[in-house]
Amino acid sequence: DGGITQSPKYLFRKEGQNVTLSCEQNLNHDAMYWYRQDPGQGLRLIYYSQIVNDFQKGDIAEGYSVSREKKESFPLTVTSAQKNPTAFYLCASGAGGNQETQYFGPGTRLLVL
Amino acid sequence: KQEVTQIPAALSVPEGENLVLNCSFTDSAIYNLQWFRQDPGKGLTSLLLIQSSQREQTSGRLNASLDKSSGRSTLYIAASQPGDSATYLCAVIYWTGNQFYFGTGTSLTVIP
Repeated sequence: DGGITQSPKYLFRKEGQNVTLSCEQNLNHDAMYWYRQDPGQGLRLIYYSQIVNDFQKGDIAEGYSVSREKKESFPLTVTSAQKNPTAFYLCASGAGGNQETQYFGPGTRLLVL
Repeated sequence: KQEVTQIPAALSVPEGENLVLNCSFTDSAIYNLQWFRQDPGKGLTSLLLIQSSQREQTSGRLNASLDKSSGRSTLYIAASQPGDSATYLCAVIYWTGNQFYFGTGTSLTVIP
């Protein structure tokens, strides 16, 4: 089955802790994206990567970090510098550029203890 | 800053009714516009994608139109069903960029 997987489905973070959200795709897509979704707001772009070993900040990158060591994987770390991390996090992939649709994973809900 | 607006924020209709969801954007230089569906607590599913050279796209009971000059797109749902209940989001991507800009969504409830 081709698609995007995210894990875990729910994640709890303690104060001062870094946590990492996993995103894997087997669609052979070059581009991958991380979005944050808060109630009543649209999706906001955190980071994106157009190619392996390269990534760019989105509109709300502060307090987050990413890596793209493999084409299939684009993990997102929520650092202790992110003071309001409670949200629904969505990963997406696409063929890249501005011509193709994006395919979304099922999301990870992050909660602060 | 690119703005994408969706009105109304929420909509409740009886089953069988035809309905229209609206999406407006501030910059007409879009490359394409896409409509997504999101069920509660789930990811997004692509419904329709309209290229800038197109005026509309159809899939089953769904029809999306695009008017770049006025900065608007509409999603028409015919003969609505309870299974259509979800949040519908539009997103635009511009010639100058490589990221999608999302609207805040319209939450649709179809009452049996």
